[in-house]
Amino acid sequence: EVQLVESGGGLVQPGRSLRLSCAASGFNFDDYAMHWVRQAPGKGLEWVSGISWDSGTTVYADSVKGRFTISRDNTNYSLYLQMNSLTTEDTALYYCVKDRTDWIGPFESWGQGILVTVSS
Amino acid sequence: SYVLTQPLSVSVSPGQTASITCSGDKLGQKFASWYQQKPGQSPVLVIFRDNSRPSGIPERFSGSTSGNTATLTISGIQPMDEADYYCQARDSLTVVFGGGTKLTVL
Repeated sequence: EVQLVESGGGLVQPGRSLRLSCAASGFNFDDYAMHWVRQAPGKGLEWVSGISWDSGTTVYADSVKGRFTISRDNTNYSLYLQMNSLTTEDTALYYCVKDRTDWIGPFESWGQGILVTVSS
Repeated sequence: SYVLTQPLSVSVSPGQTASITCSGDKLGQKFASWYQQKPGQSPVLVIFRDNSRPSGIPERFSGSTSGNTATLTISGIQPMDEADYYCQARDSLTVVFGGGTKLTVL
């Protein structure tokens, strides 16, 4: 059974940094692309970033480009999102998502999400 | 930037058929996926590659695409189908979600 467990969220002041982690299990992690998707309170889904199976390609939404960095550790079955220069607009539930393919495809499995609140 | 447009809400009575549309420029040339999200839960993939169902998704869920519009069709609507539904497509090296449609079962 695929399991994706996010951690590292919490309350942070504007301008500060936070690093999210996602522990994956139940599948061959290094065969699949991974993504982060967020959902602001009461709002819709917003794709944030994706990384190919081998970390060879990373892509970002315009809203986070230059501030967020996605990375992965295939040895430890982990996905990360380094978030810098946070603003109140980044407040959201962040989901770790397993792709159905080794690059950008359907989002097959989702974690339970981790809340990030940016506030002074 | 690429935009996918969905109706805000769709209402249907139990047993009837619901159709949720998703419009985007040249959407028919991309693969659309659909996700169901119930309150307090994570999204679930219900349709991918326009009309394929992941294992475990009932046959009542189907998808189609024509021109600039993708459609999610749910037949024999049940109260458990009440949820938010999002379409999604890839545009070059980015992923875009529609704004979501709230499906209400009357």
